[in-house]
Amino acid sequence: AQSVTQLDSHVSVSEGTPVLLRCNYSSSYSPSLFWYVQHPNKGLQLLLKYTSAATLVKGINGFEAEFKKSETSFHLTKPSAHMSDAAEYFCVVSWDRYGNKLVFGAGTILRVKS
Amino acid sequence: GAVVSQHPSRVICKSGTSVKIECRSLDFQATTMFWYRQFPKQSLMLMATSNEGSKATYEQGVEKDKFLINHASLTLSTLTVTSAHPEDSSFYICSAGRSGGPDNEQFFGPGTRLTVL
Repeated sequence: AQSVTQLDSHVSVSEGTPVLLRCNYSSSYSPSLFWYVQHPNKGLQLLLKYTSAATLVKGINGFEAEFKKSETSFHLTKPSAHMSDAAEYFCVVSWDRYGNKLVFGAGTILRVKS
Repeated sequence: GAVVSQHPSRVICKSGTSVKIECRSLDFQATTMFWYRQFPKQSLMLMATSNEGSKATYEQGVEKDKFLINHASLTLSTLTVTSAHPEDSSFYICSAGRSGGPDNEQFFGPGTRLTVL
């Protein structure tokens, strides 16, 4: 069975400081992994995805994530937080080989302080 | 591009009534659409997968007679919650996979909050 655990329900950072949102997964297959962001009253937006190519994945808005098989992790990072990054972030694993069936983590709410 | 809308954004209904939620892909064709529900402080759970012109595939534990899904065109899927009860109150989110697009990218709607009194 495939599952994903987001280790922090809330993360608070100051503007201009680094962001780290942690995610661990378990999967019976070589997984596809995603990070989505959800701003209030808006649909989930794909930040980046890993599908067995390069282990360091760059996404939109300066975010990146590194797939570490030995640690079963896919943490999301950004060197410098911006106020507009405040949102809820979901780590997601796909549980079929076409990537259609997505399993979501519980979400991490990122707060950015000025 | 790749915008998905949902209507209504919020709905309040009485117990025993039925509610229909629409999911539209506004600027692309979607062969496959997905329906999720999210309870407060919980993650999204896949309810069903609908393919245009065929019956939906429901996840284990989801009652197909309770949650009717119709995917009549490449831009519209509907979810009807029949005989709604307070325990059906939840946040329902749809997503759409773009026909001819890369595998496993889904575009999500903004969600519909259903409250059953």
